[in-house]
Amino acid sequence: QSALTQPPSASGSPGQSVTISCTGTSSDVGGYNYVSWYQQHPGKSPKLMIYEVNKRPSGVPDRFSGSKSGNTASLTVSGLQAEDEADYYCSSYADGLYVFGTGTKVTVL
Amino acid sequence: EVELVESGGGLVQPGGSLRLSCAASEVTFNHYWIHWVRQAPGKGLVWVSIISLDGGTTYYADSVKGRFSISRDSAKNTLYLQMNSLRAEDTAVYFCARANNFAMDVWGQGTTVTVSS
Repeated sequence: QSALTQPPSASGSPGQSVTISCTGTSSDVGGYNYVSWYQQHPGKSPKLMIYEVNKRPSGVPDRFSGSKSGNTASLTVSGLQAEDEADYYCSSYADGLYVFGTGTKVTVL
Repeated sequence: EVELVESGGGLVQPGGSLRLSCAASEVTFNHYWIHWVRQAPGKGLVWVSIISLDGGTTYYADSVKGRFSISRDSAKNTLYLQMNSLRAEDTAVYFCARANNFAMDVWGQGTTVTVSS
């Protein structure tokens, strides 16, 4: 159960786009279309942003989008806004178990 | 929407035990599998365990298998995490989260567990 690999940080100016990668293996990310993404502001609980690779829960802006290719999933935030500055974590189902990514801190410059 | 409220955290010595609870505001809680997830101070999210609707199926992360036990009481709309043989590395905020579409769509506010002598 090794953590999925994410870049430690990413940044962009307001209005720009930022993409975060999430690399696993054929036993997790590559084996199932059950990748989800979470946003966490300091001192707060995580919030679901994307599920099943590319689906958005009600209330999540369409600026957030997800995709997957092979063992790597990605989250793209378009039209960056100040409130998007947060930590982002991917997660994948893995045959009954779940695994999170290492987390990426997104900074809005 | 359902709200989840964790409780039971605190300071415990290494080797000690603690039982966490996660109370749901609605009976629909019983229609979902439920996760425990933890986050050590300044660190990332780590999945801990999940339990099925009827409590008959459970899964655990290798790091807690054999020491932690997840259970639920449908009559009380409550989830539990019994933690035994606690170690310093178990120090974390523990969240319960509702499982939906193989994701975690509703989260509690978390309860803090500190393992220290």
